Amino acid sequence: KQEVTQIPAALSVPEGENLVLNCSFTDSAIYNLQWFRQDPGKGLTSLLLIQSSQREQTSGRLNASLDKSSGRSTLYIAASQPGDSATYLCAVLNFGNEKLTFGTGTRLTIIP
Amino acid sequence: GAVVSQHPSWVICKSGTSVKIECRSLDFQATTMFWYRQFPKQSLMLMATSNEGSKATYEQGVEKDKFLINHASLTLSTLTVTSAHPEDSSFYICSAGKTDTQYFGPGTRLTVL
Repeated sequence: KQEVTQIPAALSVPEGENLVLNCSFTDSAIYNLQWFRQDPGKGLTSLLLIQSSQREQTSGRLNASLDKSSGRSTLYIAASQPGDSATYLCAVLNFGNEKLTFGTGTRLTIIP
Repeated sequence: GAVVSQHPSWVICKSGTSVKIECRSLDFQATTMFWYRQFPKQSLMLMATSNEGSKATYEQGVEKDKFLINHASLTLSTLTVTSAHPEDSSFYICSAGKTDTQYFGPGTRLTVL
């Protein structure tokens, strides 16, 4: 059974700093991995999707990497802004399984 | 494209009543839709997978008689919480599948008094 863990559970950093969020998964037979953002009381916003054959994806100040062999993904946020404050979730889709397995989430607070 | 809506966005009901939540894919057809539940400060937990024209597949521990799912068309799935109780209060999120990607609705906040 796939298990997805995110560490740390919460993170506070001053505005302008670069930061890294971590996601680890136990079953490396994944089809893709996705990073989402969730604002309080809101739904999910997809940030980046990495296929199993890819090593990284970039969108603006966001860069996500994937290392299947070690079961890890990172989300790098450059030049953080207060508007980046939210909960970040990673989710994996395994081969032969249409269900997403979500991580535990990291609550990010950017301090102005 | 790939927009998913949910209705209502929030609902308050009395204990013992039933509540229906709709999930619609607005600009694409989805043969598969998913229903998740999220408790405060926790991650999303899959409740069931809904396939158009067939019975839903429920995750272990989810009562199928309490959470009725109907996927009547390729753009609409409904979740009915029957005889709701305060412990059913939660944030319910649906997603619709399109080419190996799930697109998520904005969620429905259910509060049972």
